[in-house]
Amino acid sequence: DAGVTQSPTHLIKTRGQQVTLRCSPISGHKSVSWYQQVLGQGPQFIFQYYEKEERGRGNFPDRFSARQFPNYSSELNVNALLLGDSALYLCASSYHRQGRGTEAFFGQGTRLTVV
Amino acid sequence: LAKTTQPISMDSYEGQEVNITCSHNNIATNDYITWYQQFPSQGPRFIIQGYKTKVTNEVASLFIPADRKSSTLSLPRVSLSDTAVYYCLVGDMYGDSSYKLIFGSGTRLLVRP
Repeated sequence: DAGVTQSPTHLIKTRGQQVTLRCSPISGHKSVSWYQQVLGQGPQFIFQYYEKEERGRGNFPDRFSARQFPNYSSELNVNALLLGDSALYLCASSYHRQGRGTEAFFGQGTRLTVV
Repeated sequence: LAKTTQPISMDSYEGQEVNITCSHNNIATNDYITWYQQFPSQGPRFIIQGYKTKVTNEVASLFIPADRKSSTLSLPRVSLSDTAVYYCLVGDMYGDSSYKLIFGSGTRLLVRP
């Protein structure tokens, strides 16, 4: 069975540009969450989408947006890129919106470098 | 959400048992304790989860004392491939905020030959 897949794996962008990252959850999973991981730190929660609706948002500026499609895949968009947006962006899928004792499955991430 | 404190780094040798302790003094009644493992340039991977006493799976054991203010992840007979960052997370598994995982800085475990 395919796990969580993210694309692209690596990306280099220039300050001020916009970027779109993509995530396909595990088949049957309805929840997709996005995390940002800066080098040397733990992942930080950005968004959760469940059944195509935003159900949670972390402390990130409005330059960050996301959506979930009918097939439960998701996109994360970041506008007006800053150098500080350079990070590993992780997507996690789970069956339920809430924990209910179930684990979240992470993809391998997209390494974004802003120059 | 309860804050967690774990050692920044630990060293061990192949074949040894490794115990990583996490402090969570203000853990709430509905909070569960979950551990994730992360290798470089990969997403975190769920290891184990528990509420109280002891939980064991094929990978690790989790020990939680009665007051639940700390927990210990035990990795039996580590190998070089266990070199990774280990995160202790504490959170409400059923409440309004249970959808998001709160990661700290983790413990960097280095296993030496």
